[in-house]
Amino acid sequence: GAVVSQHPSWVICKSGTSVKIECRSLDFQATTMFWYRQFPKQSLMLMATSNEGSKATYEQGVEKDKFLINHASLTLSTLTVTSAHPEDSSFYICSAVSGIFTGELFFGEGSRLTVL
Amino acid sequence: AQSVSQHNHHVILSEAASLELGCNYSYGGTVNLFWYVQYPGQHLQLLLKYFSGDPLVKGIKGFEAEFIKSKFSFNLRKPSVQWSDTAEYFCAVGGNNDMRFGAGTRLTV
Repeated sequence: GAVVSQHPSWVICKSGTSVKIECRSLDFQATTMFWYRQFPKQSLMLMATSNEGSKATYEQGVEKDKFLINHASLTLSTLTVTSAHPEDSSFYICSAVSGIFTGELFFGEGSRLTVL
Repeated sequence: AQSVSQHNHHVILSEAASLELGCNYSYGGTVNLFWYVQYPGQHLQLLLKYFSGDPLVKGIKGFEAEFIKSKFSFNLRKPSVQWSDTAEYFCAVGGNNDMRFGAGTRLTV
């Protein structure tokens, strides 16, 4: 099956620093990638949708200047949390869709961010 | 606004009991409906999906779901659960460029 890999899986950083999370589709081309945030015991909250080669579409309430998303190639999307604060601590999950939408999202392992 | 609502946050069942997890949605236009499952320590994975046609959809591991348009519902069912079904179940609604999830239901068998 299709594999999506996220890196790093766990990151701890100081408040005020920036953190980049990578999402790679390893064996297929992902025309669309979704970035989600999951709080403990809560659902996945859609943050943004990124299409290769174009600007990401952010959900209402998500600060685009704080959560920078780049989808530079068909196999890589990155999420950069800029000037991170403790309230940004969360579990970030990416998922990818191949060119032909079969209805299945392929999920990365998730990245747990802890901001001190 | 699009939304997905799952009624049960945590369900505890004995083995062989029947399962039904509720999912209701609010979504404009044509809907594509999904159930995803997340086993402990694993990625989310697709359980079943509905695009069109027969509203009773059968998925993996004996799960099925029924799309009832008039009720805006897509409930997940399994006649007899097993210990290995212990997981978090997420209902999702959307399509190629928009995918939204419910809050999830934790099933403990």
